[in-house]
Amino acid sequence: GAVVSQHPSRVICKSGTSVKIECRSLDFQATTMFWYRQFPKQSLMLMATSNEGSKATYEQGVEKDKFLINHASLTLSTLTVTSAHPEDSSFYICSAHRETPDYEQYFGPGTRLTVT
Amino acid sequence: GDSVTQMEGPVTLSEEAFLTINCTYTATGYPSLFWYVQYPGEGLQLLLKATKADDKGSNKGFEATYRKETTSFHLEKGSVQVSDSAVYFCALTSGGYQKVTFGIGTKLQVIP
Repeated sequence: GAVVSQHPSRVICKSGTSVKIECRSLDFQATTMFWYRQFPKQSLMLMATSNEGSKATYEQGVEKDKFLINHASLTLSTLTVTSAHPEDSSFYICSAHRETPDYEQYFGPGTRLTVT
Repeated sequence: GDSVTQMEGPVTLSEEAFLTINCTYTATGYPSLFWYVQYPGEGLQLLLKATKADDKGSNKGFEATYRKETTSFHLEKGSVQVSDSAVYFCALTSGGYQKVTFGIGTKLQVIP
C-alpha cells in the first residue's frame, strides 16, 4: 500500500513559538493533501485542503494566518502552527490523495503537538 | 451537509465475542463509505470500504454492507481478538470530492 509519513511524531514547544509539521507521500505523488486535527475523545476535523502549487483551502473557522500550509512539491506539504498557544495542543494528521490506481486517501501516523 | 453518526462507546467485549458498531449517514448523491481503524498512538488505517449500494466491504474478518435504504454501514466481526482493541471511525466521501467526513469514532476494548 501507499505510505505517508509525518515528521515529527511528537513535538513540545513553548507558548509563542512556531512549529512546523511535515507530511510526505513516500511512494506516490499527491496533488492534494489534507490536514486534520483530532481533539481528545473526538473525531477528526478537516482543517484545510493543501493543493500543490496553489493556496490552501481552509475550512470555516480555521485561522489561515495561524495555520500556514505550504504544498511546494507533489510529495510534501507542511503545516506551520504560528505563535502557538496551549489550546493549539492536539493531534494533527495529514492525508495524501493518490489518484492512480485507486483514487484513495492515505493517512500519516499523526503528530502530537504539546504547547507549554 | 454530509454527516456520519456512530455510537461513541466505549464498547467492551470479551475475546471471541460478536462485534457490531452501528453507523448511519446523511449525504448528497451517492457516497462512498469507509471504516478506518486507529490503534493506540498511531494514525488511521483504512479497514474496508464500499462504493455503491449493496456492496460489502471486508478485511481481517471485519465486514460492512452499504445499505442505501437505511443509510447505514454497520461494522461487524464474528469473533473479536484482543488485538482488535482500537478506535473505529465510520466515514464517507461524496460528490466525487476527496474530502472525508468522519464519525466521532467508537473505542473498542477487547478483554481476554
